[in-house]
Amino acid sequence: DAKTTQPPSMDCAEGRAANLPCNHSTISGNEYVYWYRQIHSQGPQYIIHGLKNNETNEMASLIITEDRKSSTLILPHATLRDTAVYYCIVRGSQGNLIFGKGTKLSVKP
Amino acid sequence: DTAVSQTPKYLVTQMGNDKSIKCEQNLGHDTMYWYKQDSKKFLKIMFSYNNKELIINETVPNRFSPKSPDKAHLNLHINSLELGDSAVYFCASSPRAHSYNEQFFGPGTRLTVL
Repeated sequence: DAKTTQPPSMDCAEGRAANLPCNHSTISGNEYVYWYRQIHSQGPQYIIHGLKNNETNEMASLIITEDRKSSTLILPHATLRDTAVYYCIVRGSQGNLIFGKGTKLSVKP
Repeated sequence: DTAVSQTPKYLVTQMGNDKSIKCEQNLGHDTMYWYKQDSKKFLKIMFSYNNKELIINETVPNRFSPKSPDKAHLNLHINSLELGDSAVYFCASSPRAHSYNEQFFGPGTRLTVL
């Protein structure tokens, strides 16, 4: 019952920007969007989150559309180590994170 | 200096057995979680404890029983293991309940039921 939709896979050339889209058309006005990633055989790792405004940290940038129905995670200079499954997440009814299938990003040399 | 640790990393057992997975966090967090990631890679929350009290209990068979002896530990005991229990189980912790941007995950325990 994930409330987000992401493409199943994407490729990106090393050193280029990776732009990962996410649709969350049913998001409510006070819900944040969270991004996590899972590198193969590891636990998920928090990347960034946002509500309305665009956000940037040392790992990535998050662009949220004005209607808040979609967002894009940007890795400005992708490296091979960024190969992972990226999850765009909103909260579930009990307040927990609901992970969908995510986008498998492959960064290629 | 591992933040969230789990033991064992791999667990292979027969159907019908009872097994436990242990989780410890040294971050001083108040809240701990158990997630299950199945063969299709869906990651679903099972339980959440805040200061040793259960706050989230998704629809999980009662063969699964979490136990929190103190707020740094959240163990998962599974009775009468079934083939469908085969999955990777992740423990996580966060400073407080509903800290969605601050969940730290352990390395996972791969459970295989034969």
